Amino acid sequence: QKEVEQDPGPLSVPEGAIVSLNCTYSNSAFQYFMWYRQYSRKGPELLMYTYSSGNKEDGRFTAQVDKSSKYISLFIRDSQPSDSATYLCAPTSNFNKFYFGSGTKLNVKP
Amino acid sequence: DARVTQTPRHKVTEMGQEVTMRCQPILGHNTVFWYRQTMMQGLELLAYFRNRAPLDDSGMPKDRFSAEMPDATLATLKIQPSEPRDSAVYFCASGYSQPQHFGDGTRLSIL
Repeated sequence: QKEVEQDPGPLSVPEGAIVSLNCTYSNSAFQYFMWYRQYSRKGPELLMYTYSSGNKEDGRFTAQVDKSSKYISLFIRDSQPSDSATYLCAPTSNFNKFYFGSGTKLNVKP
Repeated sequence: DARVTQTPRHKVTEMGQEVTMRCQPILGHNTVFWYRQTMMQGLELLAYFRNRAPLDDSGMPKDRFSAEMPDATLATLKIQPSEPRDSAVYFCASGYSQPQHFGDGTRLSIL
């Protein structure tokens, strides 16, 4: 079993929709939960990260972690065509080693 | 805005040739990671260094791959001899007790 599972998509939504991206993980030692966005032919770019369980909001993006169910979510409000990219979750226990999901490809249609 | 710099951005070479990829981490970052990304496997950790010392290289094929940090401003990943199955995008990332930041990768094609 992989440390982190993520639906590869692709996920196609109309502009303005609310998007929900999710990951599950198996290692209860994970304390920090990162979300990266990767555009085609570019490196992953850190979007946001959270510590332990709870929510964190940054503009149109909200990261949510439920450690009891080992479930990580990223919500995008009012999605834009510029949000079209691959989104990767990456939990870690101590920033030594990051465990990346396979990424979900998102397409926001104008 | 500080960035991780990788060179070359693209490399095409024939099977059996030596390939060297270079990475300049963000100044002040003490941890450097090397990843390989393919469509099939996604992002795989090859090796990482802290304060220039290798901490984990278990993801790297030892017989042909080697990673070093000659100094704090340069990390290298070498493949010798290269094989077609090494074709992938290789990313370097750096961090310091925080989420890592990635370069834009070296796109490697082995013919």
